[in-house]
Amino acid sequence: DVKVTQSSRYLVKRTGEKVFLECVQDMDHENMFWYRQDPGLGLRLIYFSYDVKMKEKGDIPEGYSVSREKKERFSLILESASTNQTSMYLCASKWTGTYEQYFGPGTRLTVT
Amino acid sequence: AQTVTQSQPEMSVQEAETVTLSCTYDTSENNYYLFWYKQPPSRQMILVIRQEAYKQQNATENRFSVNFQKAAKSFSLKISDSQLGDTAMYFCAFMKNAGGTSYGKLTFGQGTILTVHP
Repeated sequence: DVKVTQSSRYLVKRTGEKVFLECVQDMDHENMFWYRQDPGLGLRLIYFSYDVKMKEKGDIPEGYSVSREKKERFSLILESASTNQTSMYLCASKWTGTYEQYFGPGTRLTVT
Repeated sequence: AQTVTQSQPEMSVQEAETVTLSCTYDTSENNYYLFWYKQPPSRQMILVIRQEAYKQQNATENRFSVNFQKAAKSFSLKISDSQLGDTAMYFCAFMKNAGGTSYGKLTFGQGTILTVHP
């Protein structure tokens, strides 16, 4: 079975802190994605990576950055957390050329 | 850019009955996939069913089937013989099919919370 794990299920941070969310997959997937999920808005793509050290902006990249130094790990970074970044963050991964994305359990981030 | 709209924030159904969740989308693409994903309470999101736009036949996976109307840009999910384990949030999603170079970016709808009552 494909396994996608995220470093924390729940996280509480203060405004202005630097926040790291980590995602690890064990299926040698080339493509990895970060989404945020908000009520009434569904999932929106923040960033994605199609290979190691490669990244592209999604639909809502402002206030976020990413890092992919190893194939299995994709990190989402909030350089200076703000209250409007309080949300559920979902990571996903898949093989290039296939259609199915495999999702992690999500990290519920609260910024106070 | 693509948009996906789910106009039903919440639905409920009795166990063993049938329910249909609605989804409409807008795109100028001709070659794409449509999906329904399921997110159970406190559990990971999983793929329920997919439809390739070039296929006229509606996809079916056991109790789950879709009604794909390409001209109307409509993609509804029918769940037959509903079970308690079907209680979840359901997301409709769109993916452009760019062949082998596709990175598979998904555009999601707002989601529909489905509750199955015993």
